[in-house]
Amino acid sequence: EVHLVESGGALVQPGGSLRLTCEASGFTFSRYWMSWVRQAPGKGPEWVANIRQDESEKYYVDSVKGRFTVSRDNAKNSLYLQMNSLRVEDTAAYYCARLDYRDSIRMFDFWGQGTQVTVSS
Amino acid sequence: IVMTQTPLSLPVTLGQPASISCRSSQSLVHSDGNTYLNWLQQRPGQPLRLLIYKISDRFSGVPDRFSGSGAGTDFTLKISRVEAEDVGLYYCMQGTLWWTFGQGTRVEI
Repeated sequence: EVHLVESGGALVQPGGSLRLTCEASGFTFSRYWMSWVRQAPGKGPEWVANIRQDESEKYYVDSVKGRFTVSRDNAKNSLYLQMNSLRVEDTAAYYCARLDYRDSIRMFDFWGQGTQVTVSS
Repeated sequence: IVMTQTPLSLPVTLGQPASISCRSSQSLVHSDGNTYLNWLQQRPGQPLRLLIYKISDRFSGVPDRFSGSGAGTDFTLKISRVEAEDVGLYYCMQGTLWWTFGQGTRVEI
């Protein structure tokens, strides 16, 4: 059974930094793209970042480019999101999702429970 | 691409059908011929769950009372007979041009 467990969320001041971690189990982590998606209170989800299996490709939503960095450690079955220069508008629940991305398939097929990031002074 | 769902709130009756609409601001037909329109469910206290992908393909383990249809810019998720466990939020999302989600439809008994 696929399991994704996020951690690292916290209350942080504007301009601060956080590192989120997603630990994966139940599937061969190194074979899949992985993603971060966030959801602000009362809003629909917003895609944040994708990373290819070997880290050779990384993509970000415009609002986080230059501030957030996605990475992974296939040996540890772990996905990371380094968040710098945090802003109030980054406040959200952050979800780790497995991305099935191949010929004729593009879907976030499994999700974690999420970790809360609150940016406030 | 902006995804717009209607209605935002959907009162339903157990055992009766329900339908949610989703409209995209531009066609979701990809240059490869596929339409990457998916539906997800968010039940209280549960992770997001993929229900439908590529308009109408049911994901593994999803009950057959859930079905998807549509083309181009207009799509629909239907529940043939609502059950109590179907209460929650439903989102359409597109993967044709990057990834964007609708604002959600709350299904409540």
